[in-house]
Amino acid sequence: DQQVKQNSPSLSVQEGRISILNCDYTNSMFDYFLWYKKYPAEGPTFLISISSIKDKNEDGRFTVFLNKSAKHLSLHIVPSQPGDSAVYFCAAIASGSRLTFGEGTQLTVNP
Amino acid sequence: EPEVTQTPSHQVTQMGQEVILRCVPISNHLYFYWYRQILGQKVEFLVSFYNNEISEKSEIFDDQFSVERPDGSNFTLKIRSTKLEDSAMYFCASRRGTSDNNEQFFGPGTRLTVL
Repeated sequence: DQQVKQNSPSLSVQEGRISILNCDYTNSMFDYFLWYKKYPAEGPTFLISISSIKDKNEDGRFTVFLNKSAKHLSLHIVPSQPGDSAVYFCAAIASGSRLTFGEGTQLTVNP
Repeated sequence: EPEVTQTPSHQVTQMGQEVILRCVPISNHLYFYWYRQILGQKVEFLVSFYNNEISEKSEIFDDQFSVERPDGSNFTLKIRSTKLEDSAMYFCASRRGTSDNNEQFFGPGTRLTVL
């Protein structure tokens, strides 16, 4: 199942800089997208979401951008903090409410 | 802040045995879900539950699986005859269910190990 793909397994950035996590999707029926953060031995924690009728949603240090024509979304974290180090999952919803997840990207923010 | 809870945190069982994984969703939520993550793989949807019945299930959710909301607070996943390949993290999630709210909130997971 490759409907949601996160091509970068890992990303390393310096504290204070911007982290950009990317996600691509193939199913044009997806109309809602979410980002989750996951620490080891914990469940995914909801971060931010965006509807397909928007191209940007911002919440504090987190901004999600959606490019429907490219079937691409990204999560920007600025400024990045060491506590942001975690696995970030992109997820999408089509009809119904099941989440389809990407593989995840391990973000490491170095002090 | 309200949260989804799951018990046990770790369950070890012998192949062929039945297991029940338990979840307490957030109290005013109406939609309930089970997902699983096999080590090194994606988080996969298993089943969704609304108004005391299954609303959607994946191809993974075959006859060995069942879900139940036995009372007003618990939501359970039963695996009738476990197989080695059922070893995974199992996550419960819940969603409030208003039309403008699609966010699902996850519990900490149950690690199931089938020997």
